[in-house]
Amino acid sequence: QQQVKQSPQSLIVQKGGIPIINCAYENTAFDYFPWYQQFPGKGPALLIAIRPDVSEKKEGRFTISFNKSAKQFSLHIMDSQPGDSATYFCAAPSPGGGADGLTFGKGTHLIIQP
Amino acid sequence: GAVVSQHPSRVICKSGTSVKIECRSLDFQATTMFWYRQFPKQSLMLMATSNEGSKATYEQGVEKDKFLINHASLTLSTLTVTSAHPEDSSFYICSARDRPGRPQHFGDGTRLSIL
Repeated sequence: QQQVKQSPQSLIVQKGGIPIINCAYENTAFDYFPWYQQFPGKGPALLIAIRPDVSEKKEGRFTISFNKSAKQFSLHIMDSQPGDSATYFCAAPSPGGGADGLTFGKGTHLIIQP
Repeated sequence: GAVVSQHPSRVICKSGTSVKIECRSLDFQATTMFWYRQFPKQSLMLMATSNEGSKATYEQGVEKDKFLINHASLTLSTLTVTSAHPEDSSFYICSARDRPGRPQHFGDGTRLSIL
């Protein structure tokens, strides 16, 4: 089964700082790598996703950097705000019987201090 | 766009009750829907994949007779937790995508509490 290792587990950043969350995966034959944002009591919301043939993608304040040779991708949040405080998950499509159901990282609990 | 609606948002019921959870894609046709389970402060675990008009595929360790999945149309999938017990209490979340290789969009989850 696809393993997805996410770090750090928790992160505290001052407002305006740039939190960086990292994710490492094992298998390589997938179409996209997404990041999800989850607030308490809510389902995950797709934040940004990258295809493996692209090294970087920006959407607003969120940037994914993708390193195919190292099998790693990371999320950067520019000009972070208290409203960005949430749990962030990276994910990769699961091989095997689950078709492309997602295997999630363990999550990063991010706190942006005012 | 890409809105997924899940209902109900919260269920509290007695042990032995069967509970049905609905997942609808509101503005796109979902050829595949997925069901996940999330325990407090933990990550999401894929339970099963349902394709419209065919039997669901369950992940290892998930009892298919316990968690019945039906995907009768391109916009609706249901998960029925049969004879629920306290250990089935969890946050159940569905997701949907319109075609392979496209990101999944999630519902807001159903908090199931079995007394």
